[in-house]
Order: sequence, then C-alpha cells, then structure tokens
Amino acid sequence: EIVLTQSPGTLSLSPGERATLSCRASQSLSISYLAWYQQKPGQAPRLLIYRTSSRATGIPDRFSGSGSGTDFTLTISRLEPEDFAVYYCHQCSSSPLTFGGGTRVEIK
Amino acid sequence: QVQLVESGGGVIQPGGSLRVSCAASGVTFSTSGMHWVRQAPGKGLEWVAFIRFDGTYEDYADSVKGRFTISRDNSKTTVFLQMNSLRVEDTAVYYCALKGGDNYKWGYFEYWGQGTLVTVSS
Repeated sequence: EIVLTQSPGTLSLSPGERATLSCRASQSLSISYLAWYQQKPGQAPRLLIYRTSSRATGIPDRFSGSGSGTDFTLTISRLEPEDFAVYYCHQCSSSPLTFGGGTRVEIK
Repeated sequence: QVQLVESGGGVIQPGGSLRVSCAASGVTFSTSGMHWVRQAPGKGLEWVAFIRFDGTYEDYADSVKGRFTISRDNSKTTVFLQMNSLRVEDTAVYYCALKGGDNYKWGYFEYWGQGTLVTVSS
C-alpha cells in the first residue's frame, strides 16, 4: 500500500499569503497518478489538480501543483477567503487507492 | 452538468445490511468507471470500491472486502454499494465519485456526489 503523508497538518495564514502544502509518498509515483482535492465543512470534496499539475475544470490559476518521485506540492499563490479548507492528496497508481491525512488551511 | 445523487443511508444495527445508491446524470454513464469513497465523522477520506464502466472489474479496500459489493445498472445510470455484516467502524458519509482519466485503470475522482450518511449503532 502506498502511504501518503501530508504536512503540515494545519497551516495558519492570512488572506493574500502564499500557501505551500506538501505530500510525500512512501514509494515513487508517476506524475500521472497524483491528484489534490479541496473539502470545505459540510461539503463533498472537489477535484483541484490531477496528473500532479493539471487544473480541473473551473479551478482558478492561483492553484498549482508540482513534484515528482515521492515529493509533491500544492501551492496557492494568494489565498482568497474561500480557499480556507482542508486539502487532500491522493494516489491512483495502485490499489488500494489512498489519500493523505489532509492539511487544514485556516485563517490566522 | 454532471450530477451524482446518493441515497439509501440511515441507521443500522451492527451485523445488519444496507444498500446505498448513486444516480448519475449529465454524463455518459455507460462509459464511466465509478467509485465509492467514505469519510468517518471528523476523519479523512477512505477509498472503498471501484467498478469498471461495463461492470467487468471490481476492486475493494481490504477493510470492506468480502462484506461490501459494488454493482451498477447502466440502463438506470445508477451505481450501488451493498453493505453486509456492518460494523460500528463503517459509520461514515459515503460518497460516490466518477472516475476521471480515460486511460487510467482506477483514475482519480473527477466528480463527487453530496454523500449519504450511514450510521452503524445499536
């Protein structure tokens, strides 16, 4: 099983600041198989990024993904009020499909 | 636009059975793989099961293998999750999700339903 470890667990930032979220895989992943999701309280998750760096439909360009091998990053260039949420990375390279434990981005 | 609507959740005693459903619209369902993903209260996301577009391949998390069965009815654009021998630890919101990535075996979760809550409690 591929374990995904996200850090930090919580990120406290102000609107307008840059957020950098990390996801580390227990084994090397092709960039094709890493995705990121956003979840707000009481809502279903929403796909943000797939194939490491491709933005899903309707996702603003302040969200970007990068990485390779075992280290992947989601960057939010300038936080908007609606970006404060929990973010999960996910691998679909092998079964069982797994998620990281999540990073909560909260208002400082 | 793509819509996924889950139903069938509720309160069930340990050891009981329940079937949840997910009706899809706005998508060519017969060519789309489908997943179930769950989230226990206050916890993270856990993938549960996947079914290929034509129903010929299924895959499960170890935690539900042998107890849960995923199926689909392409004529009704609906995917199901039959849950047997339910345990307290199966308590969660169950989301269905549409497989993204045409050339992927499992793919990512491109669209999500709003979820249905299953509570296993005596």
